[in-house]
Amino acid sequence: DIQMTQSPSSLSASVGDRVTLTCRASQTISRYLNWYQQKPGKAPSLLIHAASTLQSGVPSRFSGSGSGTDFTLTISSLQPEDFATYFCQQAYVTPGTFGQGTSLEI
Amino acid sequence: QITLKESGPTLVKPTQTLTLTCTFSGFSLNTGGVGVGWIRQPPGKALEWLALIFWDDDKRYSPSLKSRLTITKDTAKNQVVLTMTNMDPVDTATYYCAHSLYTTSSKNYFDSWGQGTLVTVSS
Repeated sequence: DIQMTQSPSSLSASVGDRVTLTCRASQTISRYLNWYQQKPGKAPSLLIHAASTLQSGVPSRFSGSGSGTDFTLTISSLQPEDFATYFCQQAYVTPGTFGQGTSLEI
Repeated sequence: QITLKESGPTLVKPTQTLTLTCTFSGFSLNTGGVGVGWIRQPPGKALEWLALIFWDDDKRYSPSLKSRLTITKDTAKNQVVLTMTNMDPVDTATYYCAHSLYTTSSKNYFDSWGQGTLVTVSS
């Protein structure tokens, strides 16, 4: 399986901050990388697919970049509703392994 | 509007077989590029990809769990069923089903999820 490693595991930030979360794959996955947001007690929701394609309805303050093995998710100006856990997932091969998550805290 | 809902037992005993059903609406599993996957999440832990079935009945499994998993679809009933044999307390988790789309630019991504169902394995 391809291993996905996210950093940091947790991050404290404030409303209005710009934050960048990182995801690294154990081998090249081209741009087949998805990002999900999960709030406590809720199912994950898709933010970005193909490394940088914003899912319909997702605010433009979210952006993704990267290719190969290194990827980032950037939130340009944190809003109160953005405090959640973020997971990356590789879609290069099955199983589509997930990272361990980054918890974004106030 | 796509909706999915998981159903099945909330408590199973060790060594028993778990059967979960995903009932969906708003899409057809006869449509090219469409799939339904199962993902689980132990309490306080990360997501784990389990299995995925495609519109053409292609099936993919997590290698580490492949011997214990079976995924099937019933397109007439709009259901996907996951069975997991020989359940163990470490299998305690919230189990999600999700709608998957396959495109050449993105491959697979889960764009709609069920609410999840917590399954506890305990004697």
